[in-house]
Parts: sequence; C-alpha cells; structure tokens
Amino acid sequence: DSGVTQTPKHLITATGQRVTLRCSPRSGDLSVYWYQQSLDQGLQFLIQYYNGEERAKGNILERFSAQQFPDLHSELNLSSLELGDSALYFCASSVMRDSYEQYFGPGTRLTVT
Amino acid sequence: GENVEQHPSTLSVQEGDSAVIKCTYSDSASNYFPWYKQELGKRPQLIIDIRSNVGEKKDQRIAVTLNKTAKHFSLHITETQPEDSAVYFCAAEMNSGGYQKVTFGTGTKLQVIP
Repeated sequence: DSGVTQTPKHLITATGQRVTLRCSPRSGDLSVYWYQQSLDQGLQFLIQYYNGEERAKGNILERFSAQQFPDLHSELNLSSLELGDSALYFCASSVMRDSYEQYFGPGTRLTVT
Repeated sequence: GENVEQHPSTLSVQEGDSAVIKCTYSDSASNYFPWYKQELGKRPQLIIDIRSNVGEKKDQRIAVTLNKTAKHFSLHITETQPEDSAVYFCAAEMNSGGYQKVTFGTGTKLQVIP
C-alpha cells in the first residue's frame, strides 16, 4: 500500500457525460500528479499540482481539468466524455515540488460506453 | 520536449537468466531516471532510480546504469524469477523553468519462463 488513495475504483458512464476522479496523497506529500494509461499503453502524464498550484502540464485535453484543494486532495474532472477516454487513471504523490520519487495510487478504471 | 524511447517492448527470458531493458532520452537537461514495475492490474511501483551525477546503482538483483554522454540508461535484472514478470517503465525527469517534467517510456513486458 503506497498510502495514496483514489476513488472510485471503477466508473462506467456514457459518452458526453462528466465525471470526477478523486485522489488523496500520502500524508505529508504536497505534490500530486495525474496520469492516463490506456489499454496496453504506457503512462501519459496529464498534470501536476504542488500545494494547491498547478506546476506542470502534459498531454491533457481541454475537456479535462484538475485542481488541488487546501487539504491537498486532488480531483480530475473529465467532461464531454468520448469512447477513447476509457482508461486507467492514476494519481501519484511526492513530498516535494521538484522531488523525484512518486508513489502511485491504485487507479480508477473509467469505462465510457 | 523530452522524448524517451524504450526497448524492447517485450522480453522473454528463462528463469535464472538476466534481463536488460534499455531507454534513451533526448534532452540533456533530464537529471533523474526512475524505473517502475507494474504488475497486471496494479499500480506502478518505483523499483530503482538514478540521478545524473551517478553512473551506476545496484540494489540486490536490480541495477541501473546511466550514460549521460550517449543519453541512455538501462535496467539490469539478474537471476530472474517468475515474480519479476511485469511491465517495466523507464522515465526521464527534468526541471524546466521551475516545473518538474516527467516523460515515461512506452514500457517493456517482461515474461520470466519457469
């Protein structure tokens, strides 16, 4: 157990809908990262937050947004969902802004039908 | 931006043999190179990492080497065991304008045959 929690574990929804994925980092970790992993694909970095502020952006679609709250938990919002958005979404955390070791949560499996 | 290439995409070895996975990166500013192991249906887990001021690092049966000049780094697993079967990802990270950017390789599916 990495100490990073993600909810829900599974999510099934229809095209065009909007969902919110939640992540709670390890106690004391200030950075949160979001990744998308499609079936049999690698990890695509989406976005990073540090202590409530956006720090880095990867290949995140405009339909996706995220935020980190004062209690350091983070939410990833996915809207106008398409079939291709079906994937495993991981959250990871690390203690520092520019630190290196990342601890991954168990992931949320999103299925868009 | 940074580009990380990882080879091979699949690798089968006999139990007890060694396995080597190689990654190359494009941006010389990258300064941290972690390796993650992801078992089927589970989260990626950091297994070893190396920083740009170190050439080699070893942890029991796992070792990582870094060649900054050639911009490549490799994961070496010796005396492989069936439980080593998983997908392995390399990554390259850099600090760019105060932002930490991470780029993952495409993964190597390692199968250890008993």
